[in-house]
Amino acid sequence: VQLVESGGGLVQPGKSLKLSCSASGFTFSSYGMHWIRQAPGKGLDWVAYISSSSGTVYADAVKGRFTISRDNAKNTLYLQLNSLKSEDTAIYYCARNNYGAWGQGTLVTVSS
Amino acid sequence: DVVLTQTPPTLSATIGQSVSISCRSSQSLLHSNGNTYLHWLLQRPGQSPQLLIYLVSRLESGVPNRFSGSGSGTDFTLKISGVEAEDLGVYYCVQGTHAPRTFGGGTKLELK
Repeated sequence: VQLVESGGGLVQPGKSLKLSCSASGFTFSSYGMHWIRQAPGKGLDWVAYISSSSGTVYADAVKGRFTISRDNAKNTLYLQLNSLKSEDTAIYYCARNNYGAWGQGTLVTVSS
Repeated sequence: DVVLTQTPPTLSATIGQSVSISCRSSQSLLHSNGNTYLHWLLQRPGQSPQLLIYLVSRLESGVPNRFSGSGSGTDFTLKISGVEAEDLGVYYCVQGTHAPRTFGGGTKLELK
């Protein structure tokens, strides 16, 4: 089982970014997936979840700004980040349902 | 949202000592389907989190049996029976019974 995030970087406040999580070693389409973030020196902060049937749930802090999606043909999970704020600065991890597998994370820095 | 309160925030232990971490929920985590979606994670320094215990007391594959989980309703405990050096890091509880998912604030396990 392997999860590999990509797409992070430095972005200005108010701009957008799209993160990807490439999955391998398991039947991706059968699993719900999470995005979880961790601000520098802080604890874990749950962001969003997408079920195997593409139902979605979001944390209040990102609702209306972030969109989670998946492409089962490409075994890839996405997180579209819009209207970014400085408080969105964090390492973003993807994780499989029930947290049994995690990626290495991708750093998003929101700063002017 | 469900609030998970972990105590203590920091725990100092010697090698071989047994320790416990508490996770208290603001609402019962018993789901209508009979499952209790309370899990425990360990994040070692510089690493992604890893799953230790799922559904309150089930040991994740490959995790040493010195780790055990117990509890029900709103009160849960992670016990380490004989701390080893590789156990150092931050422990998190996470609930999946109620949307949105939420994490506890973390308990840092240090060597005394």
